[in-house]
Amino acid sequence: DADVTQTPRNRITKTGKRIMLECSQTKGHDRMYWYRQDPGLGLRLIYYSFDVKDINKGEISDGYSVSRQAQAKFSLSLESAIPNQTALYFCATSDGGRGTDTQYFGPGTRLTVL
Amino acid sequence: QKEVEQDPGPLSVPEGAIVSLNCTYSNSAFQYFMWYRQYSRKGPELLMYTYSSGNKEDGRFTAQVDKSSKYISLFIRDSQPSDSATYLCAMSAGANNLFFGTGTRLTVIP
Repeated sequence: DADVTQTPRNRITKTGKRIMLECSQTKGHDRMYWYRQDPGLGLRLIYYSFDVKDINKGEISDGYSVSRQAQAKFSLSLESAIPNQTALYFCATSDGGRGTDTQYFGPGTRLTVL
Repeated sequence: QKEVEQDPGPLSVPEGAIVSLNCTYSNSAFQYFMWYRQYSRKGPELLMYTYSSGNKEDGRFTAQVDKSSKYISLFIRDSQPSDSATYLCAMSAGANNLFFGTGTRLTVIP
């Protein structure tokens, strides 16, 4: 089984709808991240969490919220989806130890907002 | 100015060619440097990791870091069609967030 899983893998929704993307990990890592990937813009950090009680905004948090339900689960919500939130969304984890922050990514969720 | 700059390509080479992928950066505090490989419709996966300046080799892949020039490179020798992917550089100053390049799309033609 994959260490980092994301559900759903694909989602099409309409403007104004609330959407939740879920991420689970079996790596035992404390740190979890949500990114979006757009052509020409690369990976941009939305939110990150260094442990269950720690939530931090990333570069582009407006229009998004997150919940860290447990060490292994980190969900991303779009409260009222808009078309420019159409993108590929990735969850990642890291253990943050020993001076580096090597991150391990899930397979991604392709979100389309009509 | 972005923290990390990467030529987006696309780059197309014949099988067996040597490939050079590069990134530049502006933050002199960066000391951990990584290359991720991303196949189409997949998440990025860690390919190479280096600390500070110098070279690191792993099979057909060599990562180079020149901190004085704020320049990192990934070389792929004897490139194979299976190397066709997008390559992203990433770097950090420590146990902090990673900063990614935009990725270079590579195609190796049989």
